[in-house]
Amino acid sequence: DIQMTQSPSSLSASVGDRVTITCRASQSISSYLNWYQQKPGKAPKFLIYSASSLQSGVPSRFSGSGSGTEFTLTITSLQPEDLATYYCQQSYTTPLTFGGGTKVEIK
Amino acid sequence: QVQLVQSGDEVKQPGASVRVSCKASGHTSSRNDISWVRQAPGQGLEWMGWISGYTYTGNTHYAQKLQGRVTITTDTSTRTTYMELRSLSSDDAAMYYCATTEVPSQRFAFDVWGQGTMVTVSS
Repeated sequence: DIQMTQSPSSLSASVGDRVTITCRASQSISSYLNWYQQKPGKAPKFLIYSASSLQSGVPSRFSGSGSGTEFTLTITSLQPEDLATYYCQQSYTTPLTFGGGTKVEIK
Repeated sequence: QVQLVQSGDEVKQPGASVRVSCKASGHTSSRNDISWVRQAPGQGLEWMGWISGYTYTGNTHYAQKLQGRVTITTDTSTRTTYMELRSLSSDDAAMYYCATTEVPSQRFAFDVWGQGTMVTVSS
C-alpha cells in the first residue's frame, strides 16, 4: 500500500498568514493527489485534484503543487472560515490512501 | 449534479452486521463508481472499497484489511448502493461515508459525498 504522510499534524496561524501543508507519498504517484477540507461534524469537502487543479467554487487562496512523491497545499491568506482539518489522498492506485490530516487553527 | 443520501445512524452489538445504504439522485452518469470511506471518532479517513458504476458489471474492490467482512452491492433499479460490514467490533465504530466523483477524467477524486452514517458498536 502507498503510505501518505502529512506534516505538520497541526498548526496555528493568524488571519492573513500564508499556510503550507506538505504531503509525501511512499512511492511515486505522478500527479494523482487530491486535497480535502473537513470541518467538525461535516463530510470532507473536495478542494484540489491532480495535485494542482482547483475544484470549481473553491476560493483562489487555495492552491496545490507537486508531483512524484512530494506535494503541498498552500493557503495564501488564511481566513477564519479555513479552520478545519486538511487531508491529502492518493488516487494513483487502490487501495486508496489518505494522509493523517493537518488540523489548522486560527490564532 | 449527483447527490448521495445515506441511511440513518445505527447501533449494533459486537459480532453483528450492519448495512448502510447510499441513494444517488439528480443527474447521474454511468461512471458514478461509489466508494465507501470511514472515519473513527477523532481519527483520519480510511478507504474501505468501491463498486463500479451501476450500469457496468458492478465490479468491486475492497481494502485488504476488510476483505471477507465487507460487501458492497448496488441495486440498479433504485440507484442505491449498499455497504455491509459483518462481525462488528468496537474498532468498527465510525462515521461511514459513501462518495463518488463527477470530475472529468478522474475516478477516485471525490467531489460528491453522502452526509455520513454513524455506526455505534456497543453491548
